[in-house]
Amino acid sequence: SQQGEEDPQALSIQEGENATMNCSYKTSINNLQWYRQNSGRGLVHLILIRSNEREKHSGRLRVTLDTSKKSSSLLITASRAADTASYFCATDISGGSYIPTFGRGTSLIVHP
Amino acid sequence: NAGVMQNPRHLVRRRGQEARLRCSPVKGHSHVYWYRQLPEEGLKFMVYLQKENIIDESGMPKERFSAEFPKEGPSILRIQQVVRGDSAAYFCASTRTGGQTYEQYFGPGTRLTVT
Repeated sequence: SQQGEEDPQALSIQEGENATMNCSYKTSINNLQWYRQNSGRGLVHLILIRSNEREKHSGRLRVTLDTSKKSSSLLITASRAADTASYFCATDISGGSYIPTFGRGTSLIVHP
Repeated sequence: NAGVMQNPRHLVRRRGQEARLRCSPVKGHSHVYWYRQLPEEGLKFMVYLQKENIIDESGMPKERFSAEFPKEGPSILRIQQVVRGDSAAYFCASTRTGGQTYEQYFGPGTRLTVT
């Protein structure tokens, strides 16, 4: 079964609104990463948050990590049409070989 | 400053033929990962290689699939005697080194269609 699962599966919002995506995982992790994938393209790295960190920012992106709940959230503020993409969380298991395991992703559509 | 290159971008094979997918990592990166992605799915890990060495192939089917990353040249994912179920997008990613979590740099993928 998937180590990381994103929620919701799909999200449709208007430009300017905030978008929040969640990721839940099952076992203890070393780190958690968020990636974006535009249709038909490879993945692009957004943020890496380590297991001892609780929050991280990068531009309009804010990522939180709650290891007690085994969950993370990605917030995109003031969304733009160009943010339309699929967003994946990737975890690597504590004590494992640092190979990230990807969830199924959240498909975000931002309407202009 | 080239990123990860994959070729071909699209590959069509008939059942029973062989598919060879190539991946050139970011210059200076010595670790390569291969993933498979089905439509509307996440990426499934297949194999993790260092130059001339397979680190982890736990996600790769035992039969028909093989991967290599020679000292010189690109990494190759080889699928022998392809079947329709092999149709998918195959992505490779590279990192400078291993041993902890690093940002992965992804290629644009090869879309394999088996007819």
